[in-house]
Amino acid sequence: EAAVTQSPRSKVAVTGGKVTLSCHQTNNHDYMYWYRQDTGHGLRLIHYSYVADSTEKGDIPDGYKASRPSQENFSLILELASLSQTAVYFCASSGLGVYEQYFGPGTRLTVL
Amino acid sequence: GDKVKQSPSALSLQEGTNSALRCNFSIAATTVQWFLQNPRGSLINLFYLVPGTKENGRLKSTFNSKESYSTLHIRDAQLEDSGTYFCAAEGYTGGLSGKLTFGEGTQVTVIS
Repeated sequence: EAAVTQSPRSKVAVTGGKVTLSCHQTNNHDYMYWYRQDTGHGLRLIHYSYVADSTEKGDIPDGYKASRPSQENFSLILELASLSQTAVYFCASSGLGVYEQYFGPGTRLTVL
Repeated sequence: GDKVKQSPSALSLQEGTNSALRCNFSIAATTVQWFLQNPRGSLINLFYLVPGTKENGRLKSTFNSKESYSTLHIRDAQLEDSGTYFCAAEGYTGGLSGKLTFGEGTQVTVIS
């Protein structure tokens, strides 16, 4: 049974619109992460969180917000979606101390 | 980007042969993770490494923190080993974060 799930699995959004991507984990992990992957490239960290109600900026946070309302849930919010945010977004979770990361299936976002 | 450099960028393997992938780090890596992104796009965690060596079936990985590199060896390659292999390093940040920097990946194609 999948321990990290993401919704939606794919989405088409319009430029300037608001997009919310959701992630849910049942690993009982403290840490959760949001990455983006552009075609043919590796993953880049957008935001992460180590406790509910707190988020931290990753390497490319501009244009994104994050929300961690509970240990299990972590959302990525694009307030004003732009063409450059077309990508596949992955959520991951890890425990504390041993940061072995487990990934969700990804969300393919297309901004038109 | 170049903080984690993977080589080669692509590799074609005959079924049953062996090969090695390499990651060089320009950051002070404390831990390394290797992932396989399969043709469906899912990211599978292969290894979580502190300095040293781990083995799992036909895969073996080494992380040498003093010389800033990691290797992944594939023995007796099978068709299901095809996909893109990513290494990711956790750099020393003075605290605990689990933040990973990914390489650009090695695309492996196993042919029969």
